Amino acid sequence: KAGVTQTPRYLIKTRGQQVTLSCSPISGHRSVSWYQQTPGQGLQFLFEYFSETQRNKGNFPGRFSGRQFSNSRSEMNVSTLELGDSALYLCASSLLGGENTEAFFGQGTRLTVV
Amino acid sequence: QKEVEQDPGPLSVPEGAIVSLNCTYSNSAFQYFMWYRQYSRKGPELLMYTYSSGNKEDGRFTAQVDKSSKYISLFIRDSQPSDSATYLCAMSPYTNAGKSTFGDGTTLTVKP
Repeated sequence: KAGVTQTPRYLIKTRGQQVTLSCSPISGHRSVSWYQQTPGQGLQFLFEYFSETQRNKGNFPGRFSGRQFSNSRSEMNVSTLELGDSALYLCASSLLGGENTEAFFGQGTRLTVV
Repeated sequence: QKEVEQDPGPLSVPEGAIVSLNCTYSNSAFQYFMWYRQYSRKGPELLMYTYSSGNKEDGRFTAQVDKSSKYISLFIRDSQPSDSATYLCAMSPYTNAGKSTFGDGTTLTVKP
C-alpha cells in the first residue's frame, strides 16, 4: 500500500512570497498532521486535521495555515515567507487519529527561503 | 524549558553494543510514548509506542516508560550498522499520535 506522499520534495522561495505544500495520506487514513523540523528547534507540531476540520493547533503564527479536503488530502500554506521558515515540513497520517493509532510520516518537503 | 528533553548525543558505539537512548519530560498529562527512527533525508519512522508506564519489547528493541520519574528509554541490543540514524522520542497526552511533542533527537552511529 502506498505511503504518505508529500509534494514537492524541494522548494526554493524568496522572502515575502507564499508557498503551498501538499500531502496525500495513506488510503483510508483520515487524520493528517503537519510538523516543522529544523536543526535548532527539532520537530514542532503545526496542526492536525481530521475529517476536513482542524482538530489541534500548535504555537505558530497565523501565516501558517492548512486545510483538508474530502478525500483526506491536505495542504498547508505559509504566507509572507521569512528566512526562518526554511525547514523540512513533514506530514503524518493516521487511520482515525483516535485510540491506539500509529502515525506514518512522509519524506517531507524541504523549503528554503532566500 | 522544553516539555521533552532528550539526551543530545551524538552517540558512537561498536557493532554489537547495547545502546540506551533517554528522554525526560515535564508534562504529567503525557500518556502515549513513542520512539521514531529517522534516516538522513527521510521522514521519521515509528519504532515503538507504549501507553502509560511499563516495558515493551520488539525484537532487539525495548522501550521503557517510568511515569513516576517522567523518564523514558529505548534500548537497542546487538546494535547493527543499519541502526545508525537519529532517534526521536515523542509523547502525547492523547491516545492518538496526531499531536505529539518531540525530543530533539539523538544521532547514533554504529561502527562495524
